[in-house]
Amino acid sequence: ETGVTQSPTHLIKTRGQQVTLRCSSQSGHNTVSWYQQALGQGPQFIFQYYREEENGRGNFPPRFSGLQFPNYSSELNVNALELDDSALYLCASSLEQATYEQYFGPGTRLTVT
Amino acid sequence: AQSVTQLGSHVSVSEGALVLLRCNYSSSVPPYLFWYVQYPNQGLQLLLKYTSAATLVKGINGFEAEFKKSETSFHLTKPSAHMSDAAEYFCAVRNQGGKLIFGQGTELSVKP
Repeated sequence: ETGVTQSPTHLIKTRGQQVTLRCSSQSGHNTVSWYQQALGQGPQFIFQYYREEENGRGNFPPRFSGLQFPNYSSELNVNALELDDSALYLCASSLEQATYEQYFGPGTRLTVT
Repeated sequence: AQSVTQLGSHVSVSEGALVLLRCNYSSSVPPYLFWYVQYPNQGLQLLLKYTSAATLVKGINGFEAEFKKSETSFHLTKPSAHMSDAAEYFCAVRNQGGKLIFGQGTELSVKP
């Protein structure tokens, strides 16, 4: 059984560009949540996908968007990158949307210059 | 709305000493509470969770936490610190629908 994986590990982008981050959920998990962790802060909830539908969104602008695929893997897209988007982006998967345990991937470190 | 406050952004203990990391929560409904650990350049690992069963919860690596409703607290403890415990610790509450709300984190340093 493989855990949650994310790609790429690190990424450097320029302000105004667009970026796509990828997440493969743990085997059998149909729910993926994305979090942004700025340096020195706790993770903040971006949105959650359950069975390919968005299932809740945190306080993030529309330029943060996502997808979930039939195999339950997921993408996070960020358009018009800003310097403040520099952060560690964490993906977490769970068996169902309301189960207790979320399993986190290692994260993607995004730097916007 | 639910929230979590971690008291102390940095805690330093000597190896073998008691570890106490503080977490207070705010929730209008019975909370589900979690402690996660994050080692440098890694994701989050679940240490333990409270889901309205026993108020004293035991987790991995010798950690435990006690849910105290009257104090709205869920402090994390370990009787004897080990060098490998040095990491960032996050307390979190789960809101309706399964989204996690995290505290700011507490960095634990362990001195030899």
